[in-house]
Amino acid sequence: NAGVTQTPKFRVLKTGQSMTLLCAQDMNHEYMYWYRQDPGMGLRLIHYSVGEGTTAKGEVPDGYNVSRLKKQNFLLGLESAAPSQTSVYFCASSSSATGEAFFGQGTRLTVV
Amino acid sequence: RKEVEQDPGPFNVPEGATVAFNCTYSNSASQSFFWYRQDCRKEPKLLMSVYSSGNEDGRFTAQLNRASQYISLLIRDSKLSDSATYLCVIHFGANNLFFGTGTRLTVIP
Repeated sequence: NAGVTQTPKFRVLKTGQSMTLLCAQDMNHEYMYWYRQDPGMGLRLIHYSVGEGTTAKGEVPDGYNVSRLKKQNFLLGLESAAPSQTSVYFCASSSSATGEAFFGQGTRLTVV
Repeated sequence: RKEVEQDPGPFNVPEGATVAFNCTYSNSASQSFFWYRQDCRKEPKLLMSVYSSGNEDGRFTAQLNRASQYISLLIRDSKLSDSATYLCVIHFGANNLFFGTGTRLTVIP
């Protein structure tokens, strides 16, 4: 069972470059989330989606954009990467707003 | 003030010991409570939900104290495989799922 799959798993970017992280889930979940995890900061919500075609800002949205064109996919874009965006990014999905969140394996991004 | 606060540890305990973690939350309207486990360089995974009446799953017991606004996780008879970071997760509102910074546990042989 695939669950939540993130690609890529690792990436090194130069400052100013752009990239897109892909999250795919095969559980027919309505809710999808993008988090970043930094040492001592815990998981912080970047953007989330409550269904196909909808997105909303989380706690730390600046510098990121998202799209949910298909229910199973949630894309996170960095238009102009900055060293402060060096982090581990996790995608998650859930069937309800209060239910268990299932996470992808994470993407380790380094911006130099 | 952070929405969710946890002691980061580390907690180093011998095999067989009992260890407890607490997590405090600031929003009294919080609706759902969870403990997640995260292994080194891995994704978080649900360990257990926390119910108002408290709940137990084998060696793990979770409790909620709404009056004092904290949840707890008790691990009995610690195993080496319990070594991980334990994340407290609080949910309130439409889409507000707040994660604590995690408490690191190392079980020593």
